[in-house]
Amino acid sequence: GQNIDQPTEMTATEGAIVQINCTYQTSGFNGLFWYQQHAGEAPTFLSYNVLDGLEEKGRFSSFLSRSKGYSYLLLKELQMKDSASYLCAVRNSNYQLIWGAGTKLIIKP
Amino acid sequence: TAGITQAPTSQILAAGRSMTLRCTQDMRHNAMYWYRQDLGLGLRLIHYSNTAGTTGKGEVPDGYSVSRANTDDFPLTLASAVPSQTSVYFCASSEDRGGTDTQYFGPGTRLTVL
Repeated sequence: GQNIDQPTEMTATEGAIVQINCTYQTSGFNGLFWYQQHAGEAPTFLSYNVLDGLEEKGRFSSFLSRSKGYSYLLLKELQMKDSASYLCAVRNSNYQLIWGAGTKLIIKP
Repeated sequence: TAGITQAPTSQILAAGRSMTLRCTQDMRHNAMYWYRQDLGLGLRLIHYSNTAGTTGKGEVPDGYSVSRANTDDFPLTLASAVPSQTSVYFCASSEDRGGTDTQYFGPGTRLTVL
């Protein structure tokens, strides 16, 4: 089967750094996506990795290791507005997105 | 631009009734998708369309049907609703099913089947 594993919930402090991990087992690989979803809202695109390495975009960075089936999303200088769920999704060989259940990130002052 | 709109925002439906969830995008995207999102589970693909006039089945298509008569609209129909179809439904679109293919999501429809 295909599955994406992420921690269910994480807690971090405002101003700190947090790393959200994602491991995957899919039938083929054609890219990995991270989305942010605030409660009651739609998911919004954060990042895309298709090659190994780190992609940096402002306070957010995403890392990919295809050989390990592993990615992480790094959030720096956490702000209260970063409280949300973070969804990891992998596009398989059929170009279908397989989604993880999401990691709920709670930011405390 | 509005992006993607969905209607209704929420609905309570009696089991056995039919319903159509509407989805319209104004970005001229080729590909469109319907997902359901349930607590503790990842988004699950119900149906998709690569381009106007074509549709395909996703991971959980049973009990749902779609049509893609034009580029902008992608309605999802529940022919005879059952309580297990209680969920939040998201419509999404992307330029194409390939490349970086970022998917853009509508605001969702919260459906309760009693």
